[in-house]
Amino acid sequence: QKEVEQNSGPLSVPEGAIASLNCTYSDRGSQSFFWYRQYSGKSPELIMFIYSNGDKEDGRFTAQLNKASQYVSLLIRDSQPSDSATYLCAAPSGGSYIPTFGRGTSLIVHP
Amino acid sequence: DAGVTQSPTHLIKTRGQHVTLRCSPISGHKSVSWYQQVLGQGPQFIFQYYEKEERGRGNFPDRFSARQFPNYSSELNVNALLLGDSALYLCASSPRTGLSEQYFGPGTRLTVT
Repeated sequence: QKEVEQNSGPLSVPEGAIASLNCTYSDRGSQSFFWYRQYSGKSPELIMFIYSNGDKEDGRFTAQLNKASQYVSLLIRDSQPSDSATYLCAAPSGGSYIPTFGRGTSLIVHP
Repeated sequence: DAGVTQSPTHLIKTRGQHVTLRCSPISGHKSVSWYQQVLGQGPQFIFQYYEKEERGRGNFPDRFSARQFPNYSSELNVNALLLGDSALYLCASSPRTGLSEQYFGPGTRLTVT
């Protein structure tokens, strides 16, 4: 059973702080990793994806991948109350396009 | 341009009934995927269709079926509904089969009583 694990939270951070969201995966064959944001009552929205070890930055968001440790994270700098949402990590099984999603981490950014 | 559209928005059915959910992808997108999201969980993959052919199937019983039409719209059918089928059903479209350009529709909330 291929698994993607996330702490359900909630993770609470003050406005302006760095929010760190973590995800581990069991399938060593997974080559790409995706982060989605889902506001309450809405559908998921793709934020970032990463294929290579190391960091990938896009605005206030940084995705970090460590394949040896089977660990991927999402950092949100200068967190805003509008970032309050559930963040989902997803990884397709090695060699396929079928993604496995984690249960998501709830982030609360308080003023 | 219009995004992914799904119909209906909400649906209430009784156990044992069947349901058909519909999805229209973004113009130019040839791949449609279906997901089930139970409250408090991440989406669970059901099917992917690309160019009208099934390209992937998740771990769901045969009660679940889908198809894609020549205009790339898609239907998800669920027979013999169970209480546990109550969930948000999400459709996602993409130009190809990868996830990097996948966009989700607003979903259909199905309640089985």
